[in-house]
Order: sequence, then C-alpha cells, then structure tokens
Amino acid sequence: QKEVEQNSGPLSVPEGAIASLNCTYSDRGSQSFFWYRQYSGKSPELIMSIYSNGDKEDGRFTAQLNKASQYVSLLIRDSQPSDSATYLCAVTGVGDSSYKLIFGSGTRLLVRP
Amino acid sequence: DTGVSQDPRHKITKRGQNVTFRCDPISEHNRLYWYRQTLGQGPEFLTYFQNEAQLEKSRLLSDRFSAERPKGSFSTLEIQRTEQGDSAMYLCASIKLGGGSGYTFGSGTRLTVV
Repeated sequence: QKEVEQNSGPLSVPEGAIASLNCTYSDRGSQSFFWYRQYSGKSPELIMSIYSNGDKEDGRFTAQLNKASQYVSLLIRDSQPSDSATYLCAVTGVGDSSYKLIFGSGTRLLVRP
Repeated sequence: DTGVSQDPRHKITKRGQNVTFRCDPISEHNRLYWYRQTLGQGPEFLTYFQNEAQLEKSRLLSDRFSAERPKGSFSTLEIQRTEQGDSAMYLCASIKLGGGSGYTFGSGTRLTVV
C-alpha cells in the first residue's frame, strides 16, 4: 500500500471554477502536510503547508486537513489556466526526526480557458 | 539569499559512465536532502545531511550512489557506472531546523542515460 495516495487525474475544470484536489495518507501519526505545484519539466514549488485539523487559507488556495480520516485536500478558487500543473501532496513520516517528506504521485490539473 | 542551486541542469551520459551533480543549499540551512523523481511519479527520498553528517540513506540508494557534504556547505551526488534506469530528475532541497516550513527545492538536474 502506497503511503500517500492521490488520484493521477487529469482533473479538468473550466476557468473560474473551484478545483478540488485530494490526498490520503497511511501513517496516522504524520505531523506535517504540504502541497507542492509542479509545472512540466520544473521542480516542485511549495504552495501550502498545514499542521493541524481544519482549514488554512492563503489567497485563492485553501488546504484542509482531517487527521481522523487521514485526508488532506487543496481547493483552488477562481482557477486560472496558469494553475494547470501537477499538484503533489507530501507528508512527514511518523515519529521521524529526519523530517523527510513522503510524496504522492501527484494529480494533474487542467484549467480550460 | 539566492535559493537552492543545482548544477548542471541537464546531463546526458552514456551507460557505464560516472556522473556527479552539485547542490548549493540556502546559506545557513543545516539540512540538505536529495530526492529522485521519475516521469509520472512523486519525488522519492534518497538521502539527507545535517551539516556535514549523512544521517540516512534510502534503500533506493544502491552502492553505485554516493553523496557527500564536505564542511556542511554544498553537496555532491555521484552515480558510478550509470544505468538507463538512473535516468530521472535529481532534486536537492534544504531547510533550517526549527524553521517550520516545507522544503525549498532547487531546479533539479535532469539525467538522461543513453
């Protein structure tokens, strides 16, 4: 069983819509959760971090964490064609002082003009 | 603060050759991580350093791979006797312990083994 699971997509939404990206993780004790955006051929770029249950908003992005369900999501409001990219979910390991990140395979988002 | 730098950006090599990549972390970041990413997959952890000490290596890191971080500054990742399966993007990231945020990745080195 993969430790971090994401639907590979592509998720296609029209411009201006809300894009909802989901991620589940297997280690119940994971502490830190991140969303990265990766354009084709480029390296991942950190867009959101969340550490406690609930919602965290930053501009058009909202991260949601539910530790009981082992579920993290990213909402992108007013989606723009420039948001078209692969979105990677990452979590830190359980009781792991290395702070290494475990990544999902990513969800490809396409925003149609 | 110029971010994390990686060199070269691209490397094409023949199977069996040795290659070395360099990563310059953000200054004062005491932890440095190497990841590998293949097409359609997320980055996979290879190894990390705290200052000059290499504290963990993944099982993915075969004996052909070696990494160093002399004096706790830049790091190098060497692959000996490259194989076609080594073709991937090699990513470096650094953090400052206690900084409370995720990694900043470098732009990566794309390796193609022909």
